[in-house]
Amino acid sequence: EVQLVQSGAEVKKPGESLKISCKGSGFNFATYWIVWVRQMPGKGLEWMGIIHPDDSDTRYSPSFQGQVSISADKSINTAYLQWSSLKASDTAMYYCTRRVDFWGGPQVEYNWFDPWGQGTLVTVSS
Amino acid sequence: SSELTQDPAVSVALGQTVTITCQGDSLRSYYVSWYQQKPGQAPVVVMYGNDNRPSGIPDRFSGSSSGNTASLTITGAQAEDEADYYCNSRDSTAYHHVVFGGGTKLTVL
Repeated sequence: EVQLVQSGAEVKKPGESLKISCKGSGFNFATYWIVWVRQMPGKGLEWMGIIHPDDSDTRYSPSFQGQVSISADKSINTAYLQWSSLKASDTAMYYCTRRVDFWGGPQVEYNWFDPWGQGTLVTVSS
Repeated sequence: SSELTQDPAVSVALGQTVTITCQGDSLRSYYVSWYQQKPGQAPVVVMYGNDNRPSGIPDRFSGSSSGNTASLTITGAQAEDEADYYCNSRDSTAYHHVVFGGGTKLTVL
């Protein structure tokens, strides 16, 4: 079964650091782009960034560039999302998901996200 | 970055047909995918590549896209279809970047 399993809920104080994880199984983890998505309480989905575990090529949404760090360890099929100094506004559910590419000839024609991890709830409060 | 616009809320009577729309300039160039999210659960893909339905998704779900508008149609809506629906496509401003619509809350009456 193809799945992504995320680390458990976290409760942190402002200014603290945090690293959450997303472990893949049932597929060749290194060869798929892994995406992180934020969902603030009662709000919609926001794309944060993407990483290719095989070479750690990483891209960030302009909204999250410099605010978080995305990394991966292909030897243990795990991607990470990290904060160096949390803010109350980082309180949200964070999802990882796998990008599936459909190749129409020599380039990717379209892609979609499947499966999704179960989500990691991060609560930042003093 | 690109933007995708969805109606915040739509309702449908049980067994009737409902269409959820998504508008944005990026849809003129790129395919759309749709995600269903029920309360307390992670999103699930219900349509990709505009009109491809993943295995396990009921055939009452269908998709289309034309110009700057994509649509997800549920023919014969069921109570279990009540959820938030998000559209998604590539962001035309940078490769690998994507954008999500704001989401549509579907209520089945």
